[in-house]
Amino acid sequence: QQPVQSPQAVILREGEDAVINCSSSKALYSVHWYRQKHGEAPVFLMILLKGGEQKGHEKISASFNEKKQQSSLYLTASQLSYSGTYFCGTERIQGAQKLVFGQGTRLTINP
Amino acid sequence: DGGITQSPKYLFRKEGQNVTLSCEQNLNHDAMYWYRQDPGQGLRLIYYSQIVNDFQKGDIAEGYSVSREKKESFPLTVTSAQKNPTAFYLCASSPGGTNTGELFFGEGSRLTVL
Repeated sequence: QQPVQSPQAVILREGEDAVINCSSSKALYSVHWYRQKHGEAPVFLMILLKGGEQKGHEKISASFNEKKQQSSLYLTASQLSYSGTYFCGTERIQGAQKLVFGQGTRLTINP
Repeated sequence: DGGITQSPKYLFRKEGQNVTLSCEQNLNHDAMYWYRQDPGQGLRLIYYSQIVNDFQKGDIAEGYSVSREKKESFPLTVTSAQKNPTAFYLCASSPGGTNTGELFFGEGSRLTVL
C-alpha cells in the first residue's frame, strides 16, 4: 500500500526550513528517502530502520516514529540545490527487497 | 565508473508493438528493479529480481515481462497488452541481502506510444 506524503508541494526562500512527512497505514520495517531533480534519476538520501538505526548523508536529518508509522525529513537552512521532488519509499518486512514509494513532494527553493 | 546504464533514453513505438528496454549494471549487485513513473504518481514497482534466474511481480506487472539470465542485466519488455505504456521507466539495483539498501537508479527511458 502506497505511503502518503505531505505536503504535495512547498515553496521556500533560500535559507528557510522545511519538513516533509511520510505516513503509512501498515507497520513498517524501514523508510527510505530519495530526491529527484527534473529529468534525472532519483538520488539516495537516507534509510531509517525500525529500532533507530539510520544510514545516509550527514547533512540530512530525518526521524521515524515506529508507533505512528510516520517519517519526517528535515531540510534546514535550505539551499537552491535542495530543489526537486522528494520521495519516501517504505519496506514492510525485513528482507522484502521491495520498496513502495509515495507520490512525492515537490520542493522549490527561490533565491 | 560503476553504475547503471539504461537504453534507449527515448523510444517511440506504435500501438501493438512490443518494445524492450535495456538495463545493465556493473556494481555487482544482486537485486534489480523496474519502476514506472507517471506525473503525480511517484514510482510504481513493475518487477524485481533478487538473484539470477528469479524475479517477482511488483504492483503493476500486467503487460510487462522481464528476464534475469545474467547478474548484470535485467531487460524489461513492454508488450502490446500494456494499455497505457507511455511513461518514464527507471531501472535500479541494490546490493541485496537481508536489508533493502540504497537503490542506485539509471537515467531512465522515456517511452512514447504514438
